[in-house]
Amino acid sequence: DGGITQSPKYLFRKEGQNVTLSCEQNLNHDAMYWYRQDPGQGLRLIYYSQIVNDFQKGDIAEGYSVSREKKESFPLTVTSAQKNPTAFYLCASSNPRGGGYEQYFGPGTRLTVT
Amino acid sequence: AQSVTQLGSHVSVSEGALVLLRCNYSSSVPPYLFWYVQYPNQGLQLLLKYTSAATLVKGINGFEAEFKKSETSFHLTKPSAHMSDAAEYFCAVSALYSSASKIIFGSGTRLSIRP
Repeated sequence: DGGITQSPKYLFRKEGQNVTLSCEQNLNHDAMYWYRQDPGQGLRLIYYSQIVNDFQKGDIAEGYSVSREKKESFPLTVTSAQKNPTAFYLCASSNPRGGGYEQYFGPGTRLTVT
Repeated sequence: AQSVTQLGSHVSVSEGALVLLRCNYSSSVPPYLFWYVQYPNQGLQLLLKYTSAATLVKGINGFEAEFKKSETSFHLTKPSAHMSDAAEYFCAVSALYSSASKIIFGSGTRLSIRP
């Protein structure tokens, strides 16, 4: 089955630690995205990548970092510089070159930092 | 620039009643429009999309939406609500000719279904 996987589903970390969230897709999509969702709020774009080895900051990139070394993978690192890291993180992908502007989402990772 | 406004952060309807979730958009170029649904602790699932073909778009789970350019609206409807429709719904817009392939999401509407 084609789709997007995110792991783990739940993640717990102590304050001051960096943590990396995994996102893998087998849809052969060029573009990938990371969003943050807080309770009762919409989605805020953290980073996005339109092609391998290239990525751009979204609206709330401070305290986060990404890499795009492979087409299938777009890991997100939440650094200790992120002031309020506890949130639900969603990864998505799309195929704009194929005319598909819609984004497909993974199941999400809920990060709790204490 | 594109933007989306969802009217009503929470909508409650009785089972079997009409569901109407409102969405207005702003776009300087012809838009792509989307509705997504999110169940608790899950990712977003695409319900339907408008891509400048038919103005009435049918989606999954019996939902449909109508693109009205004169009203800059893309409201989501379902004739008869089911308990399983309880979820968060997001309207979203993407620029048709944009190379950035970004989507702008509304703030969401939580749909509750009363027995």
